[in-house]
Amino acid sequence: EAGVAQSPRYKIIEKRQSVAFWCNPISGHATLYWYQQILGQGPKLLIQFQNNGVVDDSQLPKDRFSAERLKGVDSTLKIQPAKLEDSAVYLCASSPVGMWLAGANEQFFGPGTRLTVL
Amino acid sequence: QQQVKQSPQSLIVQKGGISIINCAYENTAFDYFPWYQQFPGKGPALLIAIRPDVSEKKEGRFTISFNKSAKQFSLHIMDSQPGDSATYFCAASRSYGGATNKLIFGTGTLLAVQP
Repeated sequence: EAGVAQSPRYKIIEKRQSVAFWCNPISGHATLYWYQQILGQGPKLLIQFQNNGVVDDSQLPKDRFSAERLKGVDSTLKIQPAKLEDSAVYLCASSPVGMWLAGANEQFFGPGTRLTVL
Repeated sequence: QQQVKQSPQSLIVQKGGISIINCAYENTAFDYFPWYQQFPGKGPALLIAIRPDVSEKKEGRFTISFNKSAKQFSLHIMDSQPGDSATYFCAASRSYGGATNKLIFGTGTLLAVQP
């Protein structure tokens, strides 16, 4: 079974530029998550999709971050404009079943995209 | 109430020794407690997880101990090996009630197993 795919793996941009990350979850996984992992910290959820609908985006800085999951499969996360404090690893994860089912918590993570904002 | 506190921040263990990492949570609605292992340049990978209906779960050299009344859980790595050197994250989430099942992660423990 192929894992969660993310691209690019690394990105360096200057502040105020825009950037986009792509994620392809494990085939058939209904739930997709984007996490931000700042160096030395645990991942923090930015947004959660159930199929192509948003379940939780309470910690997404909506003035600069946006995400979509068209057709309920792959997803893109965009930052526009980027700030220095956005430097982090952006992790995508997916989960096999709908979140309302018992035991639907196991999340499989991709390798992440390391963003450096100069 | 959403926090998960993890300690120690870093840990050095001799090969063959026992590594112990502790976590504490506040939200009694949490009902799923996984441990993730992360190597440099990789995403976190699920190591072992427990639900609050049991006090201990063992998989190979890895054991989770869970204390519901104290709202604490810990990871024990028996016979620690240099290949276990990684960052370990505890996490917690809810799986019932229709709320988001997002994982709330601890701050991580950097484990170094010396040969």
